[in-house]
Amino acid sequence: QKEVEQNSGPLSVPEGAIASLNCTYSDRVSQSFFWYRQYSGKSPELIMSIYSNGDKEDGRFTAQLNKASQYVSLLIRDSQPSDSATYLCAVKEGTYKYIFGTGTRLKVLA
Amino acid sequence: EAQVTQNPRYLITVTGKKLTVTCSQNMNHEYMSWYRQDPGLGLRQIYYSMNVEVTDKGDVPEGYKVSRKEKRNFPLILESPSPNQTSLYFCASSLSQPTSGATDTQYFGPGTRLTVL
Repeated sequence: QKEVEQNSGPLSVPEGAIASLNCTYSDRVSQSFFWYRQYSGKSPELIMSIYSNGDKEDGRFTAQLNKASQYVSLLIRDSQPSDSATYLCAVKEGTYKYIFGTGTRLKVLA
Repeated sequence: EAQVTQNPRYLITVTGKKLTVTCSQNMNHEYMSWYRQDPGLGLRQIYYSMNVEVTDKGDVPEGYKVSRKEKRNFPLILESPSPNQTSLYFCASSLSQPTSGATDTQYFGPGTRLTVL
């Protein structure tokens, strides 16, 4: 059984700080990686997808992928209270299956 | 508006009473999938469908059935629900799957909270 590991948190950061969320995965051949944000009781919404080693930036969000070390991370710059949510890391296993981590709960303190 | 819809959003039922949760997408997506989400266990894939009439098991398929007779619809069937199927269920869809890239990003429905007594 392939696994995706995340620290459950909560990760608390002050408003305006950088939040760093990490995820490791066990399937060496995975090619697609995703970060979703999920507010309590709501559905996951995509923040970022990343497919190549290195950094990918979108606004205040930066995803980092290192396939050799099998980790993917998400940085949130200038964190806002509205960023307080659970962040899910997902890895595509093979052609059609997805494995999700259990999520990291982020709290941004005003 | 591009969206994935699920019905019902909330359901309380009793053990053994067959139920169906519907899922529909209006984005002409080929791939659809069902997940359940439980505290401490995260999102787990139940079944997925690569296209019409093509389905396969995810990691937790026991006790569930699916069908894909039309591209837009992917219902989840619980023939004889049990209390351990009490969970939050999400349907998701994406354009296509075989290759990596923007087309394999999944979009989720609003969720169905199921309680089996």
